[in-house]
Amino acid sequence: DGGITQSPKYLFRKEGQNVTLSCEQNLNHDAMYWYRQDPGQGLRLIYYSQIVNDFQKGDIAEGYSVSREKKESFPLTVTSAQKNPTAFYLCASSSQGPDTQYFGPGTRLTVL
Amino acid sequence: AQSVTQPDIHITVSEGASLELRCNYSYGATPYLFWYVQSPGQGLQLLLKYFSGDTLVQGIKGFEAEFKRSQSSFNLRKPSVHWSDAAEYFCAVGAMKTSYDKVIFGPGTSLSVIP
Repeated sequence: DGGITQSPKYLFRKEGQNVTLSCEQNLNHDAMYWYRQDPGQGLRLIYYSQIVNDFQKGDIAEGYSVSREKKESFPLTVTSAQKNPTAFYLCASSSQGPDTQYFGPGTRLTVL
Repeated sequence: AQSVTQPDIHITVSEGASLELRCNYSYGATPYLFWYVQSPGQGLQLLLKYFSGDTLVQGIKGFEAEFKRSQSSFNLRKPSVHWSDAAEYFCAVGAMKTSYDKVIFGPGTSLSVIP
């Protein structure tokens, strides 16, 4: 089955540690996205990538980093510079920029 | 600046009643319009989308939406709500054939259904 997988579903980290969230898609989509969702709020774009080896900052990129070495993979690293990293993180992909986005199940990150 | 508003933060309806969720947008270009649904702790699922053509769009789960350019609106409707429709609903807007290649999501409307 085609789709997007995110792992792990739940992640706990100590304050000051970097953590990497995985996102893999087998939909052959060119574009991939990372969003952050806080309780009762909408989605805020962290980073997006339209093509391999290229990515752009979204609205809240500070304290985050990404890579896009393969078309299928778009991992997100939450660094110690992110002031309030506890949130629900969603990965998505689309065939091109403004088209339908397909979402993964999300990773809930809790920093203790 | 591009923006999407969903005026209703939370709506409660009785099962079997009709539903309308509002969405207004501000966009310079001809928009792509989407409605997504999110169950608690899950990712988002596309309900329907409008790119061009007929302004009344049919989606999954019995939902429909109407694009009204004059009102900059794309309201979501369902004639009879089921308890399983309780979820968070997001309206989203993208640009058509411009260099601006992101989709902007509204803040969401939380729907509760009373049995």
